Amino acid sequence: KAGVTQTPRYLIKTRGQQVTLSCSPISGHRSVSWYQQTPGQGLQFLFEYFSETQRNKGNFPGRFSGRQFSNSRSEMNVSTLELGDSALYLCASSLAGRGGSYNEQFFGPGTRLTVL
Amino acid sequence: AQRVTQPEKLLSVFKGAPVELKCNYSYSGSPELFWYVQYSRQRLQLLLRHISRESIKGFTADLNKGETSFHLKKPFAQEEDSAMYYCAPRAELIQGAQKLVFGQGTRLTINP
Repeated sequence: KAGVTQTPRYLIKTRGQQVTLSCSPISGHRSVSWYQQTPGQGLQFLFEYFSETQRNKGNFPGRFSGRQFSNSRSEMNVSTLELGDSALYLCASSLAGRGGSYNEQFFGPGTRLTVL
Repeated sequence: AQRVTQPEKLLSVFKGAPVELKCNYSYSGSPELFWYVQYSRQRLQLLLRHISRESIKGFTADLNKGETSFHLKKPFAQEEDSAMYYCAPRAELIQGAQKLVFGQGTRLTINP
């Protein structure tokens, strides 16, 4: 099975611009989560999507948004970029259903975003 | 809110020595805890989950509810264990949610 893929792998933007990152989950996985990784804050949860619905959200401003398509692919968007948004953005997919059990999350390689 | 603390940012031990990576958590309800590992130039991956109580690559972790700890241990470190290790309790806000709360991570270096 192919792993989680993320595009693009690297991105350079300037302050004020917006950016869209893409994540293709492992085939059959319906849950997609996004995390931001920075040296100072570590790994922080952004949001999770399941069946095209945002199921969970972290403590990030409204500039960070996402969506999921019917094929489970997901995109996240950051508008009005700030220097502090420079980070590695990780996507993770899992088989998680509507039940309570945790299913292992498989992570992608990440998209490295640099804001100048 | 769930919180997790990994007190050591860096940990260096010699090959063959025991290693212990500390993790303390605060959690309401029954915790689900995991250790994730990231080897150099590889993806973040699941190492252990406390429910399974299994040993992976020689590592074990016991959930101590009294001390609210979930330390990762290995009796004899190997050079290939050098990596970044994250302790991560699951934040169960709504049923089925897969959110993990990651600690800051501990970079483990095994010296030859």
